[in-house]
Amino acid sequence: QSVLTQPPSVSGAPGQRVTISCTGSSSNIGAGYDVHWYQQIPGTAPKLLIYVNSNRPSGVPDRFSGSKSGTSASLAITGLHAEDEADYYCQSYDSSLSGWVFGGGTKLTVL
Amino acid sequence: QVQLQQSGPGLVKPSQTLSLTCDISGDSVSSNSAAWDWIRQSPSRGLEWLGRTYYRSKYRSKWYSDYPVSVKSRVTINADPSKNQFSLQLNSVTPEDTAVYYCVRSVQAQLEVPHVDYWGQGILVTVSS
Repeated sequence: QSVLTQPPSVSGAPGQRVTISCTGSSSNIGAGYDVHWYQQIPGTAPKLLIYVNSNRPSGVPDRFSGSKSGTSASLAITGLHAEDEADYYCQSYDSSLSGWVFGGGTKLTVL
Repeated sequence: QVQLQQSGPGLVKPSQTLSLTCDISGDSVSSNSAAWDWIRQSPSRGLEWLGRTYYRSKYRSKWYSDYPVSVKSRVTINADPSKNQFSLQLNSVTPEDTAVYYCVRSVQAQLEVPHVDYWGQGILVTVSS
């Protein structure tokens, strides 16, 4: 069981908007620690999508956005494309575990 | 462009030591602005951070290592500046340590949680007799 909780799956039609939640606790997100998001195409390494809650690395489309509030964070994807179909993971830090923690991952299906 | 090339055995026997190496190109393992980590991924445990090593010379030039409590007693991550590489050793492995292992570069601004900006290709390590 992952320290950060994500829905196992979400889906949406091309052009639609979807959000993926990442719920933590008072020892990680709720303590003010940053959240990062990664996209993983099956069979490949994860790729950084959002860092420090809401920042996009160079080359990541502005269709991807992140936010954080309280003990949760969210990744929003607008104008869904077929190539967005992938697994998405959130990452933060947990003070009680003295290390990074990840969400269990969310599989996005583009219908 | 940073590239990380991993190497090591794909099969390890239970109770033995898992050893992997990561060769760095496009950056230095002695960088003052990056850390070098290992992360593994398995269907049962998901993504799991195994620890990191990094060099800092701001106050006192030295190498640092951080490990999560979950694996601290079994993991060692070392850097070899002469070869510009870093390594992972995981002792007393069991079948639960079967996973894809990634070497990565992480970066952070002051007081931020580090994030990974470069990943190795990943290597599947199976623990089995």
